[in-house]
Amino acid sequence: DVKVTQSSRYLVKRTGEKVFLECVQDMDHENMFWYRQDPGLGLRLIYFSYDVKMKEKGDIPEGYSVSREKKERFSLILESASTNQTSMYLCASSSLGGRVYGYTFGSGTRLTVV
Amino acid sequence: AQKVTQAQTEISVVEKEDVTLDCVYETRDTTYYLFWYKQPPSGELVFLIRRNSFDEQNEISGRYSWNFQKSTSSFNFTITASQVVDSAVYFCALSEANAGGTSYGKLTFGQGTILTVHP
Repeated sequence: DVKVTQSSRYLVKRTGEKVFLECVQDMDHENMFWYRQDPGLGLRLIYFSYDVKMKEKGDIPEGYSVSREKKERFSLILESASTNQTSMYLCASSSLGGRVYGYTFGSGTRLTVV
Repeated sequence: AQKVTQAQTEISVVEKEDVTLDCVYETRDTTYYLFWYKQPPSGELVFLIRRNSFDEQNEISGRYSWNFQKSTSSFNFTITASQVVDSAVYFCALSEANAGGTSYGKLTFGQGTILTVHP
């Protein structure tokens, strides 16, 4: 069964900490994405990557960075966590070509910054 | 820039009622894809349907149907004879394609509609 795995389901961090959210996919997908989900705002794109060592800013990149050293892994980094980054974070991947579903999402990481 | 608007924040119906979730989108691309996802209380996103910009045929899958109209930039979703298990947050989303039209680019989501179906 193909999947996208996010390393933590729940995470609690302190303000000012450096936080790493890890995402691994086993489908050999080229494209990977990080979203955050907040009530009433839907899912908003933070960063995405179309290839290894490649990254592009999404709609809300401020306060975040990413790393993609290997094709299967896409990490989201909060350099100095703040309380307004408390949210649900979802990772997704997609492939070149016409795979019917298009995108595969992880189960999400609920991050609380205290 | 792409934009997806789901004007209905919350909808509440009684079981067996029909319900339509509205979705309006904006894009300058000629090749694009439209999606609907369901997010039940467990939190995972469940794929429901994908439509490409060249296929305006409406689609029916069981109690679910979708109406795609390019003239009004709308992609509405109807649930017929709703059931309690349909209670969830529903997202409409729009994806651009790359220059060759062979790859899914970034996915832009609407704000989501919370559907509650009462017994």
